[in-house]
Amino acid sequence: KAGVTQTPRYLIKTRGQQVTLSCSPISGHRSVSWYQQTPGQGLQFLFEYFSETQRNKGNFPGRFSGRQFSNSRSEMNVSTLELGDSALYLCASSASGGLFYEQYFGPGTRLTVT
Amino acid sequence: EDKVVQSPLSLVVHEGDTVTLNCSYEVTNFRSLLWYKQEKKAPTFLFMLTSSGIEKKSGRLSSILDKKELFSILNITATQTGDSAVYLCAVGGSEKLVFGKGTKLTVNP
Repeated sequence: KAGVTQTPRYLIKTRGQQVTLSCSPISGHRSVSWYQQTPGQGLQFLFEYFSETQRNKGNFPGRFSGRQFSNSRSEMNVSTLELGDSALYLCASSASGGLFYEQYFGPGTRLTVT
Repeated sequence: EDKVVQSPLSLVVHEGDTVTLNCSYEVTNFRSLLWYKQEKKAPTFLFMLTSSGIEKKSGRLSSILDKKELFSILNITATQTGDSAVYLCAVGGSEKLVFGKGTKLTVNP
């Protein structure tokens, strides 16, 4: 089976812009979660989608949003980018168990905000 | 506020040594505790623990959870250079997953 894929792998944006990141889960996996990883804060949970519905949510502002399509692919959007949004964004997919069970991570999207 | 604390933050050992990594937590409505290994970018799953006192084992790695004292340990015996990585502990509860800052393990030949 192909692993979790994320596009793009690298992205440079300017403060104030918005960005959309994409994640394709492992075939058959219905749960997709998003994470932000920075050297200072470590790995932080953003949200989880399951069958096109947001099922769990972390403590991030409303500028961070996501959605999931009927084929389980997911997108994450960040509006009004700030310098502090520079990070590695990881997505992970899981079979029906979801967030609290075994997850498979993608390679990440490195976002740099200038 | 939910929190997960890992110790030590970094550790340098020689091949063949045994290491113990610690994870303590305070999480509302505990669901599970997970260990991941992160070498480059993508963390890879090691163990999921939900019941207290049950040891999970895979080769040289093992882990145990103490739900009364709210901690878990990850043991690696006969370490190899390929074990060098950041080991992440994550605890699920109250609709979110909280990660510790990780323990960076370096195994020297």
